[in-house]
Amino acid sequence: KAGVTQTPRYLIKTRGQQVTLSCSPISGHRSVSWYQQTPGQGLQFLFEYFSETQRNKGNFPGRFSGRQFSNSRSEMNVSTLELGDSALYLCASSLETKTGELFFGEGSRLTVL
Amino acid sequence: SQQGEEDPQALSIQEGENATMNCSYKTSINNLQWYRQNSGRGLVHLILIRSNEREKHSGRLRVTLDTSKKSSSLLITASRAADTASYFCATDDTGGFKTIFGAGTRLFVKA
Repeated sequence: KAGVTQTPRYLIKTRGQQVTLSCSPISGHRSVSWYQQTPGQGLQFLFEYFSETQRNKGNFPGRFSGRQFSNSRSEMNVSTLELGDSALYLCASSLETKTGELFFGEGSRLTVL
Repeated sequence: SQQGEEDPQALSIQEGENATMNCSYKTSINNLQWYRQNSGRGLVHLILIRSNEREKHSGRLRVTLDTSKKSSSLLITASRAADTASYFCATDDTGGFKTIFGAGTRLFVKA
């Protein structure tokens, strides 16, 4: 069974640009969560999607957005990039986040110059 | 915001010794999980303990949960160099559909 796949793994952008990150969950998993990980703030919850619906959202500005497609694949977008957006963005899938285990991808490391 | 806070922030031990990490959280939970992260990689689930459980074992891992003190501990017995990683506790948000992670404990096991 394939794991969670995140693309791209690494990317470099400049301030003001936008970026789209992709996440393909484990087959059969309908819940996808996104996290931002930085040395200073740790793992911060961005949002969670289930069956194309955003069920919860973290405390991030509107520049951060996401969506989920009918095949459960998810994308997140960050517009007007700032230096502070440099981070490891992690996607996790699960059968149902209320009860259990999250399966993480390897992450997308974003560097904003 | 972070629900769980790990203690210590960093821990350095010799191979063969036991490693204990603690986690405290703020609000009621349905379950508590521990995850491991090797440097710059994704997190890997280690163990889940439900709020009505007090102790759980998995291989060299032992997790305890004290809901009255809102705390949990992770014990890794007979540590190996390969156990070097960051360890995070995670709790479910009371609003649902959200797992919140603590700041993590960085464990370094010297061979």
